Amino acid sequence: EPEVTQTPSHQVTQMGQEVILRCVPISNHLYFYWYRQILGQKVEFLVSFYNNEISEKSEIFDDQFSVERPDGSNFTLKIRSTKLEDSAMYFCASRGLLNQETQYFGPGTRLLVL
Amino acid sequence: AQSVTQLGSHVSVSEGALVLLRCNYSSSVPPYLFWYVQYPNQGLQLLLKYTSAATLVKGINGFEAEFKKSETSFHLTKPSAHMSDAAEYFCAVRGRYSGAGSYQLTFGKGTKLSVIP
Repeated sequence: EPEVTQTPSHQVTQMGQEVILRCVPISNHLYFYWYRQILGQKVEFLVSFYNNEISEKSEIFDDQFSVERPDGSNFTLKIRSTKLEDSAMYFCASRGLLNQETQYFGPGTRLLVL
Repeated sequence: AQSVTQLGSHVSVSEGALVLLRCNYSSSVPPYLFWYVQYPNQGLQLLLKYTSAATLVKGINGFEAEFKKSETSFHLTKPSAHMSDAAEYFCAVRGRYSGAGSYQLTFGKGTKLSVIP
């Protein structure tokens, strides 16, 4: 069964450093998402992406964040200058044109900012 | 706008006992509702979804949920808990229609289910 994959599974970085989180969505999906979950809190929507542009973003998704689909398979989330409060689990999700209501999630990347 | 409240951050049941995980939602438009499960060190896996067909929805692993519009609830149940059900469960809502078309999900805080042998 096709699945969403994410790399790395864990990342530790110093405050102020740039990080790139990578996702490979399900191959025929067209809509892509990033969510995050700070420890002990809700899973929160960050951004959605369709047709090579952001279709919606939350207030969390400020200028420090960017997303990109650099090739036909990867979908990346970049945090330009990490802060302590960026420490969280980051989930990528994708959905297709069929079965439109269902988003399929990856296993997540646990980011720790020191 | 949508929101989800999951009552109980941690629920413990004995093996073989009924599992009941509560979810109440708020939505300004007709909702789609979902339950996801997260096993340790794994991603979010869809358990079941309500998309305006039958109000009683059956999912994987023997779970089901009933959409009750009058109570704005979508509680998850399983008649008999199994040790393998120990995981964290998330309820989520999405507006059926979205002007932006992105259909973002709004999640609850999650309920961690423990199953006691």
